[in-house]
Amino acid sequence: KNEVEQSPQNLTAQEGEFITINCSYSVGISALHWLQQHPGGGIVSLFMLSSGKKKHGRLIATINIQEKHSSLHITASHPRDSAVYICAVEGAQKLVFGQGTRLTINP
Amino acid sequence: EPEVTQTPSHQVTQMGQEVILRCVPISNHLYFYWYRQILGQKVEFLVSFYNNEISEKSEIFDDQFSVERPDGSNFTLKIRSTKLEDSAMYFCASRVGTGLFYGYTFGSGTRLTVV
Repeated sequence: KNEVEQSPQNLTAQEGEFITINCSYSVGISALHWLQQHPGGGIVSLFMLSSGKKKHGRLIATINIQEKHSSLHITASHPRDSAVYICAVEGAQKLVFGQGTRLTINP
Repeated sequence: EPEVTQTPSHQVTQMGQEVILRCVPISNHLYFYWYRQILGQKVEFLVSFYNNEISEKSEIFDDQFSVERPDGSNFTLKIRSTKLEDSAMYFCASRVGTGLFYGYTFGSGTRLTVV
């Protein structure tokens, strides 16, 4: 059974700061997903990756398969980035979710 | 951009009643899922569905739950005899295929409150 741990659980930062959210998992996976959950509850897929690094706008996701670790970075953070960011790992055609990181960006 | 649509967005039901949560996946997607999130907890897998049958289900998905795709477009989750602990946000998700090139699209969720 895969365990997914995220850190930190809560993160408050000032607008413009560089943000890093970490995710570790315990068992080998086929892919790792980074998701965003807004206060209304809806989930939006940000990245799916199995190796290396992906970039989309101000968001960057990296994964180290050997260390079973992934990071999500946000450059030049903005109050609209405030949300819960969730790491989920894929195995056996289902996702196993981390507990999420609540990010608050203050103006 | 295509969306997964869930209805209703919020449902309140009496304990012991049956509820049906509805999802319209993206039209060319072949794999369908239900997940749930109890308030303050992690999102949990319930069931996956492919080719008109369940491909995998979790321990949570007991005889109280059922899924079907009645008309080739809707994908429903039925909960019989609801319990207080069924109160949660239920998410439907779909994807074109499995494997490294196919991401998930999630619906906006149905918040189920059992009173």
